[in-house]
Amino acid sequence: DQQVKQNSPSLSVQEGRISILNCDYTNSMFDYFLWYKKYPAEGPTFLISISSIKDKNEDGRFTVFLNKSAKHLSLHIVPSQPGDSAVYFCAATIGAGSYQLTFGKGTKLSVIP
Amino acid sequence: GAVVSQHPSRVICKSGTSVKIECRSLDFQATTMFWYRQFPKKSLMLMATSNEGSKATYEQGVEKDKFLINHASLTLSTLTVTSAHPEDSSFYICSARDLGELTLAKNIQYFGAGTRLSVL
Repeated sequence: DQQVKQNSPSLSVQEGRISILNCDYTNSMFDYFLWYKKYPAEGPTFLISISSIKDKNEDGRFTVFLNKSAKHLSLHIVPSQPGDSAVYFCAATIGAGSYQLTFGKGTKLSVIP
Repeated sequence: GAVVSQHPSRVICKSGTSVKIECRSLDFQATTMFWYRQFPKKSLMLMATSNEGSKATYEQGVEKDKFLINHASLTLSTLTVTSAHPEDSSFYICSARDLGELTLAKNIQYFGAGTRLSVL
C-alpha cells in the first residue's frame, strides 16, 4: 500500500512555463515533506521541504504548496528551464527530526527548449 | 558540501557470490546512514538504517543475514549482499544524515549515486 503517491510518471513542459508536480499521501501522521531531484546516474538531491504547520514554502523558482485537508502537495517550478529536466521524488516523514522517509515513485519532468 | 560517494556504481556477478557496496560521506560525519533498494518503476524502499558503532536496524521483510551492514566509522557504511541470486538484482542506493544538522531538525538525507547490481 503506497502511502506516498505520484500519479504522473512523466510531465513535459515548455521552457519558460510553469511545471507543476503533484504528490498525494494517505498517512495523516506525516507532517514533514520533502522534494528530491534526481539526474541520471546521480543520487537524489534535496530540493525543498515543508512542514505541516505551513501551507507554502518558497525557494527561488521552486515553491511547494501543502493542502493538509486534501493530503496533497505540489511543487511549482517557474519559469521552467531545460536544466530542470530530471526525476522528482516526493517524500514524507513523521517528525522533522525523524529519519524514516517514505518516497513516491517519482515523476520524470522534461522541459522542452 | 554534503557529498556522499557510493562505490561501485555497477557490478555484475555470478550467482552465489557476495558483493560489497561502500557508502562514504566525504565532507561530513554521519552517525546514521540508510540503505535503499529500488525496483524498476517503483519507489525507493528503505531496507535498513545503519548506525555507527551498533547493529543496523532492518525493515520488515529484509533478511539481515542476506544483507549485511557494517558502519564502523562516522564516514563509512558497507552493504554486503551475501550469496547473491538473480532476484537480488536491483538498484541499491545509500544516504546519510549530516551529524551537524541533527540538532536543526532538518530531515535531509544526502544520497549516493547508487549501485546497479546484476546477478547472473
